[in-house]
Amino acid sequence: GAGVSQSPSNKVTEKGKDVELRCDPISGHTALYWYRQSLGQGLEFLIYFQGNSAPDKSGLPSDRFSAERTGGSVSTLTIQRTQQEDSAVYLCASSPTGSPLHFGNGTRLTVT
Amino acid sequence: QKEVEQNSGPLSVPEGAIASLNCTYSDRVSQSFFWYRQYSGKSPELIMSIYSNGDKEDGRFTAQLNKASQYVSLLIRDSQPSDSATYLCAVTDSNAGNNRKLIWGLGTSLAVNP
Repeated sequence: GAGVSQSPSNKVTEKGKDVELRCDPISGHTALYWYRQSLGQGLEFLIYFQGNSAPDKSGLPSDRFSAERTGGSVSTLTIQRTQQEDSAVYLCASSPTGSPLHFGNGTRLTVT
Repeated sequence: QKEVEQNSGPLSVPEGAIASLNCTYSDRVSQSFFWYRQYSGKSPELIMSIYSNGDKEDGRFTAQLNKASQYVSLLIRDSQPSDSATYLCAVTDSNAGNNRKLIWGLGTSLAVNP
């Protein structure tokens, strides 16, 4: 079936602008994660959604970052007033509860 | 701070050889262990999962887990150039509840030379 879908695949934005990144998880997967990966770096956890429970936001680096998940499906990660250090690949992953993660192809964000 | 440690490499092996990738972790109560492969410019993809001590084989891949030593490894037999990638080790964070959060290593870069 269809995998995790992320859009856009690439985004170039000017410093100070807001951006929205979208993730469409695999149908039926209750868990959804956002990660960030900078060039040559490991995966940095940002936020986790599980069903109707309150999200685990412990990885969000600042209050400029927020995410929501509507109807237990599609998720949007919003970065306000982007900074150059926000440049990275943003990865979304989904899974059935307690199962391995399935990643999307990521959104490469470049802040100029 | 819970950690997962991997040798960054690069690990270079000739085609047809066995590649051995190692990972140690600090969370003594972790229950689930995963190996992901990440090609350059691509997203991680699951290679193996292992949950109990011992070996688990899947094709050319064998995962080995030793919870007492807090050690998990991945063996790739008959290595192929297409196996050249970064291999990420991930373990569940026992504090996260329902094993929902993973602790990731920085990955080992593997190069298989024809």
